[in-house]
Amino acid sequence: NAGVTQTPKFQVLKTGQSMTLQCAQDMNHEYMSWYRQDPGMGLRLIHYSVGAGITDQGEVPNGYNVSRSTTEDFPLRLLSAAPSQTSVYFCASSTTRYEQYFGPGTRLTVT
Amino acid sequence: GENVEQHPSTLSVQEGDSAVIKCTYSDSASNYFPWYKQELGKRPQLIIDIRSNVGEKKDQRIAVTLNKTAKHFSLHITETQPEDSAVYFCAAKDAGGTSYGKLTFGQGTILTVHP
Repeated sequence: NAGVTQTPKFQVLKTGQSMTLQCAQDMNHEYMSWYRQDPGMGLRLIHYSVGAGITDQGEVPNGYNVSRSTTEDFPLRLLSAAPSQTSVYFCASSTTRYEQYFGPGTRLTVT
Repeated sequence: GENVEQHPSTLSVQEGDSAVIKCTYSDSASNYFPWYKQELGKRPQLIIDIRSNVGEKKDQRIAVTLNKTAKHFSLHITETQPEDSAVYFCAAKDAGGTSYGKLTFGQGTILTVHP
C-alpha cells in the first residue's frame, strides 16, 4: 500500500490564481480530511469527508472547496489564492473514528 | 467548539532525562486523545493515543495519562534520546455517535534532547 499520497510536494502561486491539491489513499478509508499547518498554530482542520459524496467544513474553510466523488480521492481546491493561504497542507485518512494517518504534505507559497 | 491548549511551547532536556508535555481541553464530550510526533519537514506520525475509558497507557518509553475530571492529559517520555527531538502535538476528538468528529490540535511543543 502507498498509504496517503499528496501532489504536488511544492507549489508557488501568484495572488488570484487557482489550483487543486491532490490527495489519494489506497486503504479504503472512509474518513478523509485536510489540515493546514502554520508556525505556532498547530494543525487546523479545513474540510473533512466521512464518505464518498459527503463533505463538511472544519475550522478554517474559507477560500477552499472540496469534493469526494470516490473513496480514494479528496482534492482541495483554492479558488483564488491569497498570501494568507501560504502554508503546509496535510491530507489525512482513517478507517475508524480514531486514528488518522497523514500524507507527506504540500508546501504552498502564494506571492 | 473544542479548544486545546498545550504547554510548554519549547522543552529542552539532557539525554536520559524525562520529558513531560501537558494539554488541556475544553469540551467534556471529547473522548479520544492522540499524540503526534513531527520531525522537521516530515508528516505528523501517531505515537500513542488514549480513549476516555482509560486513565493511563504505556508503550515502551512513552506514556499518556488522562484526567477527565480536570480535562487534561499529558505525554511522558522517559530515558530521552536525541532521536526524540521533534515537535509533539496533542489533539482531542469527540468520536461518539454517528459522526467521525473533528480532531482539534494543540499548538505543539518543540522538544530538544541534548546528547
